[in-house]
Amino acid sequence: AQTVTQSQPEMSVQEAETVTLSCTYDTSESDYYLFWYKQPPSRQMILVIRQEAYKQQNATENRFSVNFQKAAKSFSLKISDSQLGDAAMYFCAYRKGNTDKLIFGTGTRLQVFP
Amino acid sequence: GAVVSQHPSRVICKSGTSVKIECRSLDFQATTMFWYRQFPKQSLMLMATSNEGSKATYEQGVEKDKFLINHASLTLSTLTVTSAHPEDSSFYICSARSPSPTQGKGAFFGQGTRLTVV
Repeated sequence: AQTVTQSQPEMSVQEAETVTLSCTYDTSESDYYLFWYKQPPSRQMILVIRQEAYKQQNATENRFSVNFQKAAKSFSLKISDSQLGDAAMYFCAYRKGNTDKLIFGTGTRLQVFP
Repeated sequence: GAVVSQHPSRVICKSGTSVKIECRSLDFQATTMFWYRQFPKQSLMLMATSNEGSKATYEQGVEKDKFLINHASLTLSTLTVTSAHPEDSSFYICSARSPSPTQGKGAFFGQGTRLTVV
């Protein structure tokens, strides 16, 4: 069975600094997708970034980038130039290629200090 | 971008009554939608997969008679919590994946419904 592990329940960063959130996963599949979702206090889940497993290049979306280490089954999220609005719960998620079902990690609460 | 709308955002009901939560895809057709439950400070746990025109697929441990799912059209799925009890109080979230390749392969989520059973 596939699992997603986020080992950091809480992280904090100072505004304008960089922070990295960790995520590891376990799967025997070769075709899959990985995602980072943000859940602010409003509880609305927002897609931050996605990575296709077959792509070697790390995904980047503005200040958000990932470090995808396929062999190590690691998928960390780097937030550069952190902003107060980045404060939220961040969930790492896995999806097998031919399905729609998402498997979520336990989440990391990110605090951003001015 | 793809929008999924969930209604109501908050509901309080009396123990023993039923509550219906709606999930709509506003600008795309979703043959499959998903219902999650999230306890305070915890992750999202998939409850069931809602399939348009057929029976929902429930995850292990989820009572199908308690959590009735209906996906009668390509844009609407409903979750009915029947004979609600205080332990059913939780945050319920629906999601759907847009088939449009330009919108990526991530799921889009509704705003969630906070259910409180008193």
